[in-house]
Amino acid sequence: DTAVSQTPKYLVTQMGNDKSIKCEQNLGHDTMYWYKQDSKKFLKIMFSYNNKELIINETVPNRFSPKSPDKAHLNLHINSLELGDSAVYFCASSLYGSGLAGGSDTQYFGPGTRLTVL
Amino acid sequence: ELKVEQNPLFLSMQEGKNYTIYCNYSTTSDRLYWYRQDPGKSLESLFVLLSNGAVKQEGRLMASLDTKARLSTLHITAAVHDLSATYFCAVDIRGGSEKLVFGKGTKLTVNP
Repeated sequence: DTAVSQTPKYLVTQMGNDKSIKCEQNLGHDTMYWYKQDSKKFLKIMFSYNNKELIINETVPNRFSPKSPDKAHLNLHINSLELGDSAVYFCASSLYGSGLAGGSDTQYFGPGTRLTVL
Repeated sequence: ELKVEQNPLFLSMQEGKNYTIYCNYSTTSDRLYWYRQDPGKSLESLFVLLSNGAVKQEGRLMASLDTKARLSTLHITAAVHDLSATYFCAVDIRGGSEKLVFGKGTKLTVNP
């Protein structure tokens, strides 16, 4: 039983193309996230959704558009791919994510999608 | 803006030795997390530290939190090869959305 799953695992594409990455969680969590991990392993949050509502939108180019059809799914669509978009994209989820949690609110990460733009 | 600094960024150690990874952060935070990442793999949650003086232990790893010093440590006792991985600390921003800011990670290599 995979808690947070992503597809595809690998994505190789040409500059200028449009691509999507899908994420699903079966943990019953309210909040989902997209992170980008660059070639130096640095992890940075891109977006978060709480129960289908956009909560965090970091300074990400508007070529990146997240969509959450329901609270178990968060997809990431990228338009006009550039070389600098090459990275590993991780989806994550947490139970609360709204700042209301009094205790821990561990984020659980998916396996990652390695995007290579040629 | 919250900054999270880990050191060292690279650590090569012999099996059986002890060592500590440090995580400093710049502003008040409610929660500090430690994650492990194996090469080409996802991030695995290790510890959550919620209060000043909190200490958590799992096997050869022990994490602690000093909120006054804004410092967390991850101590490795009698390292074994299986502990080789990259370790990240992550700190949330107090109040509002659950936004984690990650350190740059410490790549640990344990040599036989």
